[in-house]
Amino acid sequence: DTGVSQDPRHKITKRGQNVTFRCDPISEHNRLYWYRQTLGQGPEFLTYFQNEAQLEKSRLLSDRFSAERPKGSFSTLEIQRTEQGDSAMYLCASSFRTSGTVNEQFFGPGTRLTVL
Amino acid sequence: AQKITQTQPGMFVQEKEAVTLDCTYDTSDQSYGLFWYKQPSSGEMIFLIYQGSYDEQNATEGRYSLNFQKARKSANLVISASQLGDSAMYFCAMREGVISNFGNEKLTFGTGTRLTIIP
Repeated sequence: DTGVSQDPRHKITKRGQNVTFRCDPISEHNRLYWYRQTLGQGPEFLTYFQNEAQLEKSRLLSDRFSAERPKGSFSTLEIQRTEQGDSAMYLCASSFRTSGTVNEQFFGPGTRLTVL
Repeated sequence: AQKITQTQPGMFVQEKEAVTLDCTYDTSDQSYGLFWYKQPSSGEMIFLIYQGSYDEQNATEGRYSLNFQKARKSANLVISASQLGDSAMYFCAMREGVISNFGNEKLTFGTGTRLTIIP
């Protein structure tokens, strides 16, 4: 049973460059979330997909950020014109909607972005 | 106002002792869920335990139990017989609103508690 995977695990880039991260959720999971975690903080919600539809975006997600989940499987998060304030851990999580109430989210290992 | 408050930035506990990690929450919804996640130094968030707002019994999962006091809006995590492998960051999180087929079940997290188990 493979969990949520993310690639790359680490990314160092220069300010102004574009970066793209990939998330592969657990295969049968129809819900996918992106969170951002800065040092000393808990994760903060960025965006949510149900299958291929992006149903909600946080106001934290500026227009430099775009996320896709083209076939309802893997997802990509792109940041254009990176800024030093974008340095953070980007976490992906997936879940499967059931008739129960828990529907816990399973998290990937994250992509740590450093913008120089 | 913070939706999830964890007031203990760090805790040191002797191995084999029990430890309680505090969490208080703020919501006006009647339906909500509370989660605890563990984040080791590797970075991956590991789900530990869940408590629904309508659950009458406190949740338990192995050595983990959740002390849910609804009137006080607190959901403290209790770890019994702590082990060295329990050393990690622990996050309390809340999902608000009624669960629906297309609803966003996003989590709001606290700032976490760093737990260190001393041999």
